[in-house]
Amino acid sequence: EAGVAQSPRYKIIEKRQSVAFWCNPISGHATLYWYQQILGQGPKLLIQFQNNGVVDDSQLPKDRFSAERLKGVDSTLKIQPAKLEDSAVYLCASKGSLNTGELFFGEGSRLTVL
Amino acid sequence: GQQLNQSPQSMFIQEGEDVSMNCTSSSIFNTWLWYKQDPGEGPVLLIALYKAGELTSNGRLTAQFGITRKDSFLNISASIPSDVGIYFCAGQPFSRDYKLSFGAGTTVTVRA
Repeated sequence: EAGVAQSPRYKIIEKRQSVAFWCNPISGHATLYWYQQILGQGPKLLIQFQNNGVVDDSQLPKDRFSAERLKGVDSTLKIQPAKLEDSAVYLCASKGSLNTGELFFGEGSRLTVL
Repeated sequence: GQQLNQSPQSMFIQEGEDVSMNCTSSSIFNTWLWYKQDPGEGPVLLIALYKAGELTSNGRLTAQFGITRKDSFLNISASIPSDVGIYFCAGQPFSRDYKLSFGAGTTVTVRA
């Protein structure tokens, strides 16, 4: 079974530029998450989708971050404009059903903002 | 999300030693999870716990779901070099959105 796929693995941009990350969850997984992991910290939830609907985006900085999962499968996370403090690894995770705790993570997309 | 306190923050251990780490919360959780993250990779699930008092093993790893539902412990027995990495606890409270919160991680370095 293929795991969670993410791209790109690495991205370097200058502040005020925009960037987009893509995630394809495990086949059949209805729940998809985007986490932000700053160096030395645990993952912090940005947004949670159930199929193509948003369950929780309370910690998403909506003035600059946006995410969509239009067809309920793959998802895109966008940052525009980027700030220096957005430098982090952006992790996508999925799980098979809402009430199970077992998340499966992708390898992450490492963003460096200069 | 919920505040999880994970300790120790880091540890150096001798190969062959046993090591313990723990995670505490001010809130009650109905699920505790332990993940390991290697450099440049995403977290990988090690053990999942679903019942207070539950003790679960996965090879040399043993984890326990605290009776109070506010803590969990992870033990690694007979450490080997590949145990190097960052270990994260994660907890899921009783809530409609099943939101998972993560601790800050315990960095394990093994001295050969």
